[in-house]
Amino acid sequence: ILNVEQSPQSLHVQEGDSTNFTCSFPSSNFYALHWYRWETAKSPEALFVMTLNGDEKKKGRISATLNTKEGYSYLYIKGSQPEDSATYLCASPEMTGGGADGLTFGKGTHLIIQP
Amino acid sequence: DGGITQSPKYLFRKEGQNVTLSCEQNLNHDAMYWYRQDPGQGLRLIYYSQIVNDFQKGDIAEGYSVSREKKESFPLTVTSAQKNPTAFYLCASIMTGRDGYTFGSGTRLTVV
Repeated sequence: ILNVEQSPQSLHVQEGDSTNFTCSFPSSNFYALHWYRWETAKSPEALFVMTLNGDEKKKGRISATLNTKEGYSYLYIKGSQPEDSATYLCASPEMTGGGADGLTFGKGTHLIIQP
Repeated sequence: DGGITQSPKYLFRKEGQNVTLSCEQNLNHDAMYWYRQDPGQGLRLIYYSQIVNDFQKGDIAEGYSVSREKKESFPLTVTSAQKNPTAFYLCASIMTGRDGYTFGSGTRLTVV
């Protein structure tokens, strides 16, 4: 079982501020790193699937970077809005099975945007 | 719209009873997964299936069973052998191992 860790566990940010949080994962036998956003009473929604060291992906005000050599990924939110309030999950699959043997999830970062 | 449907949304079970949670997808995805969420923990993998009539145990399969008779359907049975079944259960699917997962909206099971 992989060890995927996220920090911080929770975060309160003022509306309009930018923020970031971290996901760490084993750097050996890396296959992919997933980020999901999970809003209350909704289904988790895929944000990014990252596979290449040094990769940076962007979706609107949200972006993510990946460092597979040291085993971490950062998620950045620029100019936080109330609708960004959610739990952000990162996850990684085992290298076996072509990444389809299921994901190991971190415990999530619970982000609250304060007006 | 394509997606994953989980039913019911809330389920109450008496101790000693088996109960089956439904998961249906119309995305034509090959692989399907069941996860469990408990307070303060990450999502944990119960069972998964990459193809019809085949499935594998995940990290916490004890006390659960599944079937995959059709591509669209992956029901999860919580048996009386599951010692602590009260939890939130999520079903997911993907087309390939490089894709993001699509999740259902979950079933909250409570043992009374």
